[in-house]
Amino acid sequence: EVQLVESGGGLVQPGGSLRLSCEASGFTFSYYRMNWVRQAPGKGLEWVANIKQDGNERYYVDSVKGRFSISRDNAKNLLYLQMNSLRDEDTAIYYCVVRGVSKPSWGQGTLVTVS
Amino acid sequence: DIQMTQSPSTLSASVGDRVTITCRASQTFSSWLAWYQQKRGEAPKLLIYKASILESGVPSRFSGSGSGTEFTLTISSLQPDDFATYYCQQYDTYSWTFGQGTRVEIK
Repeated sequence: EVQLVESGGGLVQPGGSLRLSCEASGFTFSYYRMNWVRQAPGKGLEWVANIKQDGNERYYVDSVKGRFSISRDNAKNLLYLQMNSLRDEDTAIYYCVVRGVSKPSWGQGTLVTVS
Repeated sequence: DIQMTQSPSTLSASVGDRVTITCRASQTFSSWLAWYQQKRGEAPKLLIYKASILESGVPSRFSGSGSGTEFTLTISSLQPDDFATYYCQQYDTYSWTFGQGTRVEIK
């Protein structure tokens, strides 16, 4: 069974930094693209970033380009999101999501509050 | 990017009603379309993937259909547990996009 467990969220001041982690289990992590998706309080879902299996291709939503960096450690089954220059509008629950063979699977999320 | 337009944004219905939610895409894609249910304070729950495949454990009153640019989620007989917000998502491209959400309320 796919399991994704996010950690690293918390309260940070505007302009600050935070690194989120996602520990994956129940599937061969190195075989799949990984994603971060976020949801601001009371708002809809927004895709944030995507990384290829070998880490050599990365894509970002325009609003985080140049500030956020997605990375992965296939030996440790870990996905990361380094968030710099944080803004109030980055406040959200951040979900780790794997794009499986035919369907996405989600973690439970970690809350980031910028204030 | 593929834009997903979901309608309606709010839907008022009664227990037992048949409910349909629609998602329209700005361009054709390969049916990598998912539907989620989300309740307050919870992560999205996958209901349907690849446009029409029911996720394991999801009641059969939920169904998905469509292709190309138009997709629908149907709840055949609304139950009390179904009052929630529903989202569509395309996961065909590297930059996923979501519909704006449909809140299903008690009439």
